[in-house]
Amino acid sequence: GAVVSQHPSRVICKSGTSVKIECRSLDFQATTMFWYRQFPKKSLMLMATSNEGSKATYEQGVEKDKFLINHASLTLSTLTVTSAHPEDSSFYICSARPSWGLAGSYEQYFGPGTRLTVT
Amino acid sequence: QKEVEQNSGPLSVPEGAIASLNCTYSDRGSQSFFWYRQYSGKSPELIMFIYSNGDKEDGRFTAQLNKASQYVSLLIRDSQPSDSATYLCAVSEEGGSQGNLIFGKGTKLSVKP
Repeated sequence: GAVVSQHPSRVICKSGTSVKIECRSLDFQATTMFWYRQFPKKSLMLMATSNEGSKATYEQGVEKDKFLINHASLTLSTLTVTSAHPEDSSFYICSARPSWGLAGSYEQYFGPGTRLTVT
Repeated sequence: QKEVEQNSGPLSVPEGAIASLNCTYSDRGSQSFFWYRQYSGKSPELIMFIYSNGDKEDGRFTAQLNKASQYVSLLIRDSQPSDSATYLCAVSEEGGSQGNLIFGKGTKLSVKP
């Protein structure tokens, strides 16, 4: 149980184009989904938190107009990187917090990640 | 600012030994504590959670929590080369409505055959 998928797993795009990444909770409903970014050999950085049916909450320094997040259902959140540039190349990972939760409902299950390369 | 501190390592242990990973946190209000394992190039995987003081065992893994000292640890018994990974400590950020976790930067564990 508690499986999260991401699509695509790897994407290469040209500078200036937009890329959409999907995150799905496959066997549970997730009221809240999180988007992280991780550069090589660096720690996880939370980009934004999304709740189903409401606007995402972005961390300080993350441009909301560049990283568009939509959480349209209890099992799907999407991250769109708009007008991508080479410095946006990174490993993007989503996680989902089950609605039913166990340890105080804070546990998060991660998707496998999407490796974005902008040329 | 709420922080979670971990020794970055690398922590090197021989196969079969006990690996001890430590974590301290700053928010005294935190109630839930998690250990994730992240292999190189992969996403984190939840391996244990604990929310009561004391020990919690799951197979070769034991999580230990001491809220008074704001300290949580993970012991891995009979360490195997396949345990070589970065271990992330995560602590609940209480008081908000989002259910955020605060992650440490991780400790890299290397188990030598």
